[in-house]
Amino acid sequence: DVQLVESGGGLVRPGGSLRLSCAASGFSFSNVYMNWVRQRPGKGLEWVGRITSKTAGGTLAYAAPVKGRFTISRDDSRNTLYLQMNGLKTDDTAVYFCATEVIISDKSDYWGLGTLVTVSS
Amino acid sequence: QSVLTQPPSVSAAPGQKVTISCSGSSSNIGKDFVSWYQHLPGTAPKLLIYDTYKRPSGIPARFSASKSGASATLAITGLQTGDEADYYCVAWDSSLSARLFGGGTKLTVL
Repeated sequence: DVQLVESGGGLVRPGGSLRLSCAASGFSFSNVYMNWVRQRPGKGLEWVGRITSKTAGGTLAYAAPVKGRFTISRDDSRNTLYLQMNGLKTDDTAVYFCATEVIISDKSDYWGLGTLVTVSS
Repeated sequence: QSVLTQPPSVSAAPGQKVTISCSGSSSNIGKDFVSWYQHLPGTAPKLLIYDTYKRPSGIPARFSASKSGASATLAITGLQTGDEADYYCVAWDSSLSARLFGGGTKLTVL
């Protein structure tokens, strides 16, 4: 079965840093584009960024609110996706989900259950 | 303000049909595929539609989608109380080089 498990969330002060991890299993992780999506309290889903597969160049893309502060990376040897978050703001408080792009052979995508990041003094 | 515009809420009675609109532009919906998600608080979002019209395995035919120009529509027929959730449209924007989520639409089944 496909599983995505996020970890690394917690409470951090404004200006601080946090690294989220997303452990993947049950599919060929290295071949799949991966996304981070967040949901701020009382708000809708918001795309954070994406990393393509290495064969597609490992290309990165970020949403405007996080560009220059957040960095996505992947370790295909560990089947793990990362989100390094620096210069955190109170507005970054959210549940962060990792998600695959649609896997054509599965005709579906997959999501983790999310990890909560709280930025507060 | 989301670049993809959805109505904040829609409602209909059980058994009825409801449509949820998603308005974008020529750099996103007008150019690329659209996806639709169903999201219940505290759970992972569920993919309902991908590549504008396609349904993942296990998604009933009650859920369908269409696109015309820079607008997309999700239709749900035979509404059930279990359909109460937030619904989001998603598309890639070539000008922003970013994936966009609509603001979300809360469906109430009266």
